[in-house]
Amino acid sequence: ETGVTQTPRHLVMGMTNKKSLKCEQHLGHNAMYWYKQSAKKPLELMFVYSLEERVENNSVPSRFSPECPNSSHLFLHLHTLQPEDSALYLCASSQETRYEQYFGPGTRLTVT
Amino acid sequence: AQSVTQLDSQVPVFEEAPVELRCNYSSSVSVYLFWYVQYPNQGLQLLLKYLSGSTLVKGINGFEAEFNKSQTSFHLRKPSVHISDTAEYFCAVSDLRSSGSARQLTFGSGTQLTVLP
Repeated sequence: ETGVTQTPRHLVMGMTNKKSLKCEQHLGHNAMYWYKQSAKKPLELMFVYSLEERVENNSVPSRFSPECPNSSHLFLHLHTLQPEDSALYLCASSQETRYEQYFGPGTRLTVT
Repeated sequence: AQSVTQLDSQVPVFEEAPVELRCNYSSSVSVYLFWYVQYPNQGLQLLLKYLSGSTLVKGINGFEAEFNKSQTSFHLRKPSVHISDTAEYFCAVSDLRSSGSARQLTFGSGTQLTVLP
């Protein structure tokens, strides 16, 4: 696999479920990001990890819980979500000393 | 704080016609600038970037952009578009104050380019 991969690509979950999104980067980068993309809204940066430490949490509700076990993997744990959390969740990575971010294909999440 | 404004939310254009997608930014310090493209059901792909040097930068798929510091703009252009260019285009900025921790991008709200036959 090359680049940034995300699984699953599609997820439907009920409001009481617990699920996790997975992101893996094969680029040797040391920073990883979670974004939320909703229709008609700009990309929202949710979390940033640099060297496996969380460096940014943009006022994201606690029902979203990130985890970065190593520089290649990033998870987003989901529980008791709301219908308004339905969106495309994008993962990205970058080399800390460079500015370009490389994105995965996203997970389309639907909360019913 | 920095911000990015993409002036047109939708741009329809006929095939083989030229196109310009506009992007203006606001920042109190020097910036790096990017254009990304998003095809349906896909993530964002880097089209081109301006870090320093020549203000005219060339990217993939025949796109180019010009950095204009006095007008705080970074407009994207293509002289002749193809049906396959239909996608959403995002302008993004990163200011040079970012240090130590990971760099962060601020994105515009996107411009949907639709190429008509």
